[in-house]
Amino acid sequence: TQLLEQSPQFLSIQEGENLTVYCNSSSVFSSLQWYRQEPGEGPVLLVTVVTGGEVKKLKRLTFQFGDARKDSSLHITAAQPGDTGLYLCAGAKGGKLIFGQGTELSVKP
Amino acid sequence: EAGVVQSPRYKIIEKKQPVAFWCNPISGHNTLYWYLQNLGQGPELLIRYENEEAVDDSQLPKDRFSAERLKGVDSTLKIQPAELGDSAVYLCASSSTGSGSYNEQFFGPGTRLTVL
Repeated sequence: TQLLEQSPQFLSIQEGENLTVYCNSSSVFSSLQWYRQEPGEGPVLLVTVVTGGEVKKLKRLTFQFGDARKDSSLHITAAQPGDTGLYLCAGAKGGKLIFGQGTELSVKP
Repeated sequence: EAGVVQSPRYKIIEKKQPVAFWCNPISGHNTLYWYLQNLGQGPELLIRYENEEAVDDSQLPKDRFSAERLKGVDSTLKIQPAELGDSAVYLCASSSTGSGSYNEQFFGPGTRLTVL
């Protein structure tokens, strides 16, 4: 059973489009992190959200933590080919991180 | 500041052979993690060290996998004997105690293992 469900699993869009990736769980997390991973590399931390309802912006990326701290979303505005990669959400619980299965994003020029 | 270093980056072996992966965490990070990542999936924790102590190895298949972090700095993960299903990327990550419940982890580039 996947503790963190990400959707969609695959997303292929054209440059300039907007998109949202969702990360859902029935469990409460003390914090939730979003990572981006490129082929042949390890995941790189994008953001950590801690407070229910928190919204953080990183240039064209907007991250939101659900009020109940069980879910999160990542919205990308005007996607660019450089945004291509595997986006992973991870919840902190019991001293460790639990990862979702990832969303594979492909942005075509 | 140097990031998490892993070696080798790629390894191809035949089934039933042994293999070892090495990780050097970010200087000063006392928590070290080994993860397994299958293609297109999220990382799955194998073992977590606090200094030299393995505090969570519940997901480590102990019949064939072993790990050590003798001096609380670098770490080695070993598989003996390797099976076809062990083909995956093995990631090492580290974090500092100061990250608290945020548990912000920094990952190495991984070792891609192919078992033939």
